[in-house]
Amino acid sequence: EVQLVESGGGLVQPGGSLRLSCVASGFTFSSHWMSWVRQAPGKGLEWVANINEDGSEKAYVDSVKGRFTFSRDNAKNSLYLQMNSLRAEDTAVYYCATIKIGGEDYFEYWGQGTPVTVSS
Amino acid sequence: DIQMTQSPSTLSASVGDRVTITCRASQSFSSWLAWYQQKPGKAPKLLIYKASSLESGVPSRFSGSGSGTEFTLTISSLQPDDFATYFCQQLRTFGQGTKVEIK
Repeated sequence: EVQLVESGGGLVQPGGSLRLSCVASGFTFSSHWMSWVRQAPGKGLEWVANINEDGSEKAYVDSVKGRFTFSRDNAKNSLYLQMNSLRAEDTAVYYCATIKIGGEDYFEYWGQGTPVTVSS
Repeated sequence: DIQMTQSPSTLSASVGDRVTITCRASQSFSSWLAWYQQKPGKAPKLLIYKASSLESGVPSRFSGSGSGTEFTLTISSLQPDDFATYFCQQLRTFGQGTKVEIK
């Protein structure tokens, strides 16, 4: 059974930092592109970042470029999202997700999400 | 940037109804489109990919169609478990969602 378990969310002041983690199991982690997708309270879904199988290719939504860093450790089946210079508009539930193998960005499996609140 | 527009935003329906949700893209990317179902407090679930391919384990009452800039998700006979919010997605852009509620 595929499992994705996020952690690391919480309350942080504007300008602060958080590091989210996602531990994967039940599939060949090193064969999948992976993503972070977020959802602000009561709002829709927003893609945040992608990373390829070995971590050599990354892509970010414009609003987080230069502030967020996506990385992975295939030996630990883990993903990390380092979030710096956090803003109120980064408040959301953050989900890690697998990208369906096949060359198109379909988000196949999702974790349960970890909430991030940026507020003073 | 691509814009995805779903309609309606809210849909009231009864068990057994045939339900159709539409998603329009501001640009054409062939059949690159997915549909997700999300229930309150839960992660989204992939239902349809490549516009019309049913994800494994998803009931056959769900179907997708369309190409270019207009796509539809159809639920042939709405079941109690189907009351949820549905999102379309093309490339890395999601629609704003359609809430299917009990009439």
